[in-house]
Amino acid sequence: AQSVTQLDSQVPVFEEAPVELRCNYSSSVSVYLFWYVQYPNQGLQLLLKYLSGSTLVESINGFEAEFNKSQTSFHLRKPSVHISDTAEYFCAVSGGSDKLIFGTGTRLQVFP
Amino acid sequence: GAVVSQHPSWVICKSGTSVKIECRSLDFQATTMFWYRQFPKQSLMLMATSNEGSKATYEQGVEKDKFLINHASLTLSTLTVTSAHPEDSSFYICSAYRAGGEKLFFGSGTQLSVL
Repeated sequence: AQSVTQLDSQVPVFEEAPVELRCNYSSSVSVYLFWYVQYPNQGLQLLLKYLSGSTLVESINGFEAEFNKSQTSFHLRKPSVHISDTAEYFCAVSGGSDKLIFGTGTRLQVFP
Repeated sequence: GAVVSQHPSWVICKSGTSVKIECRSLDFQATTMFWYRQFPKQSLMLMATSNEGSKATYEQGVEKDKFLINHASLTLSTLTVTSAHPEDSSFYICSAYRAGGEKLFFGSGTQLSVL
């Protein structure tokens, strides 16, 4: 069985500051890892994913996440955030099927 | 990108009544859809996997007689909360599986409040 822990329920930051949203997972099998973003009044959207290969994955809007097997982590980072990045971010893990196990989410609040 | 429409986005009902939530894939056929539930400050929990033309597969601890799932077509799955009670108040969200490329697309969710 898999599980996901997002330790931070809320992360407030000022615009243009760097941010890291933490995600740790546990699994007895190889995993696929995902970050989803939910903007206000919208559905979940895939931000980035790790399936195999390079442990550093990037999204088109400047976010990146690094798969660290030894630390069982998949933290999400962005060097400089914008107001428009304000949203709920969910880390998720899959053991290979289409079922996703989600973390509790982290609300990123960017202030001007 | 692919669009999944979930309706209604928000519903209030009296205890004992039933509520139906629809999940539609607007521009692709989805043989499989998933229903999740999220309580405040908790994870999205998978409730059931809905397969077109067959019975849904429920996760452990989810009452199939209370949460009726129907997936009668390749673009529509419905979740009916029967005899809703205040403890069923939650955020329900569906996702649809599309073969090829990015696979899972989520609806915008339904906030159910049972009074």
